[in-house]
Amino acid sequence: KNEVEQSPQNLTAQEGEFITINCSYSVGISALHWLQQHPGGGIVSLFMLSSGKKKHGRLIATINIQEKHSSLHITASHPRDSAVYICAVRVRSGGGADGLTFGKGTHLIIQP
Amino acid sequence: GAGVSQSPRYKVAKRGQDVALRCDPISGHVSLFWYQQALGQGPEFLTYFQNEAQLDKSGLPSDRFFAERPEGSVSTLKIQRTQQEDSAVYLCASSFGGRGTEAFFGQGTRLTVV
Repeated sequence: KNEVEQSPQNLTAQEGEFITINCSYSVGISALHWLQQHPGGGIVSLFMLSSGKKKHGRLIATINIQEKHSSLHITASHPRDSAVYICAVRVRSGGGADGLTFGKGTHLIIQP
Repeated sequence: GAGVSQSPRYKVAKRGQDVALRCDPISGHVSLFWYQQALGQGPEFLTYFQNEAQLDKSGLPSDRFFAERPEGSVSTLKIQRTQQEDSAVYLCASSFGGRGTEAFFGQGTRLTVV
C-alpha cells in the first residue's frame, strides 16, 4: 500500500464547478505539499501546510492531522486549471530519504 | 534565473549511451533533491544533497546512476549505459533549508531511451 493515496485518480468537470481532490497518508508527517504539474513536466508548489487551512486565490487546502487527510479545493474552476495535482508528504522522522513522498497524482480536466 | 533550471529539457539516448542531466538550483538554496517520475506515476526520490554533501542516495536504482554537486550549487545526475527502463522525467528541486522548508521544482528533463 502506498504511503500517500490520492482520489480520484482522474476527474473531468465543467468550467465553473467546485473541485475537491483528496489525499490520505499513513505515516507521521511534518508537512504536506500540494503540487501542480502541467503536461510539460514542470512542477509548481501550490501549498505547504502542517495544520489548518490555507487559501490562495481560487485554491484552498485543508489538512486534518488526526485523520491523516488533506483536501485541495478549486472554486470556479477554469480550463487553465487542467493539470495533474500531486500530494506529497514530508515524513516526520526516522531514517531514509530526506525528501518528499509523493502520491500518484490526480489528473484534472476542466472542460469549457 | 529566479527558479530552478534543468537542462536539457528533452533527451533521447540510444540504449547503452551515457547521459548527464544538469540542475541549477535557486541561488543560496542549501538542499537539492533529484526525483525520477515514470509515466503516470508520482515522482520518486533518488538522492539528496545538503550543500556539496550527498546525504542520502538510497533512492538511486542502480550503480549506473551517479549524482554530484561538487561546489554546492549546480548538480549533475549521470546515468551510465542507459536502459529502456531509465526512460522517465527527472526532476530536480531545491530548498533554502533542510527538512520542512518549501521545495521549488525545476521543469524536469524528459529522458527517452530507445
